[in-house]
Amino acid sequence: GDSVTQTEGLVTLTEGLPVMLNCTYQTIYSNPFLFWYVQHLNESPRLLLKSFTDNKRTEHQGFHATLHKSSSSFHLQKSSAQLSDSALYYCALSDRHMGYKLTFGTGTSLLVDP
Amino acid sequence: GGIITQTPKFLIGQEGQKLTLKCQQNFNHDTMYWYRQDSGKGLRLIYYSITENDLQKGDLSEGYDASREKKSSFSLTVTSAQKNEMAVFLCASSTRDWGGSSAETLYFGSGTRLTVL
Repeated sequence: GDSVTQTEGLVTLTEGLPVMLNCTYQTIYSNPFLFWYVQHLNESPRLLLKSFTDNKRTEHQGFHATLHKSSSSFHLQKSSAQLSDSALYYCALSDRHMGYKLTFGTGTSLLVDP
Repeated sequence: GGIITQTPKFLIGQEGQKLTLKCQQNFNHDTMYWYRQDSGKGLRLIYYSITENDLQKGDLSEGYDASREKKSSFSLTVTSAQKNEMAVFLCASSTRDWGGSSAETLYFGSGTRLTVL
């Protein structure tokens, strides 16, 4: 079945350094939708960015990601981490053939230190 | 804008007990979801409903029932609570415009935290 893999459970880095959170996926369908959701402490998850276009960079709130169908990846990046970026980040996958459901990865906790 | 309201926020139950969680949304969204959140396991889909009176099983439906009484509400029942179980249950909703080039956003409630003694 469909799946999303986030290899890092916890990423710790210093404020000002670049961020990269990995996301790869598996699906039998050729036109997946990929999403990044962010969940801050004591809050509910909310959409950070989404994409369905191959090799097109998507940006929001300083974060960016590019869907690469050739490598089945949708890594989340930011050039300079801020303390407020500390949160739990979920990568998710959907496809029109999957109905209306999202498959989420296990999540990556990002901790930014001063 | 809109809001998703989950009740109760905290739920403490006994082993074997039947427990019901409720969710209301005023987005006028067609599709509603129940996800379970466990540390290190991500968000796992329990049930979802694409319209009133519809029910679709997710990957984690065993041990749960659900009911979509009307468009704005979606309830989840834990049929027999497991001892020492602790989890957060998240309700979400979205529009049904998943076709073509559009991919819709899920909006989440603030969750129900379950503890089973």
